[in-house]
Amino acid sequence: AQKVTQAQTEISVVEKEDVTLDCVYETRDTTYYLFWYKQPPSGELVFLIRRNSFDEQNEISGRYSWNFQKSTSSFNFTITASQVVDSAVYFCALNNNDMRFGAGTRLTVKP
Amino acid sequence: DAGVIQSPRHEVTEMGQEVTLRCKPISGHNSLFWYRQTMMRGLELLIYFNNNVPIDDSGMPEDRFSAKMPNASFSTLKIQPSEPRDSAVYFCASSNLLNNEQFFGPGTRLTVL
Repeated sequence: AQKVTQAQTEISVVEKEDVTLDCVYETRDTTYYLFWYKQPPSGELVFLIRRNSFDEQNEISGRYSWNFQKSTSSFNFTITASQVVDSAVYFCALNNNDMRFGAGTRLTVKP
Repeated sequence: DAGVIQSPRHEVTEMGQEVTLRCKPISGHNSLFWYRQTMMRGLELLIYFNNNVPIDDSGMPEDRFSAKMPNASFSTLKIQPSEPRDSAVYFCASSNLLNNEQFFGPGTRLTVL
């Protein structure tokens, strides 16, 4: 069975702080895909990143970075120098022909 | 380019009524997904299609729910009869390959009184 756990229900930080959102997944498959999505207060779901199980290279995109570690089945997301506009619910998801979302982490960035 | 289009954006109906939600995927995408989001259950995959064919409907909660994709540019999710516990935001998403990133529509907020 596939499962995604985002243990942090809510995180609150002050602007310019760094913050890491944790994601742990379970799967028996050797080929799978991991995703992060952002859901701002307006409600839409915005795609952030896709990573396949054979590519463990970390990725950086501006203030966003992702750390994929197969050994610990984790795919964590770090926002550097957070901004108020980063306030949203962030979802981690696992896909192998069946997309499973975690419960989400609500991030609040205070000015 | 137009993203995934969903209609209506909001729907308020009374228990027992039929509800039809509509989705137009991104042109060229051959996979389409229906999700439901509630506070209690989070984001749940209801059903997905590949090349207009339903592949997995194990997430559809009950026989009251049905989905169709008559062509590559249109899908419907129907609830008949609707119940208050069906109140949720229903998202449609599409992708160009099953395991690629999915692009979501704005969602339909359904309220069943």
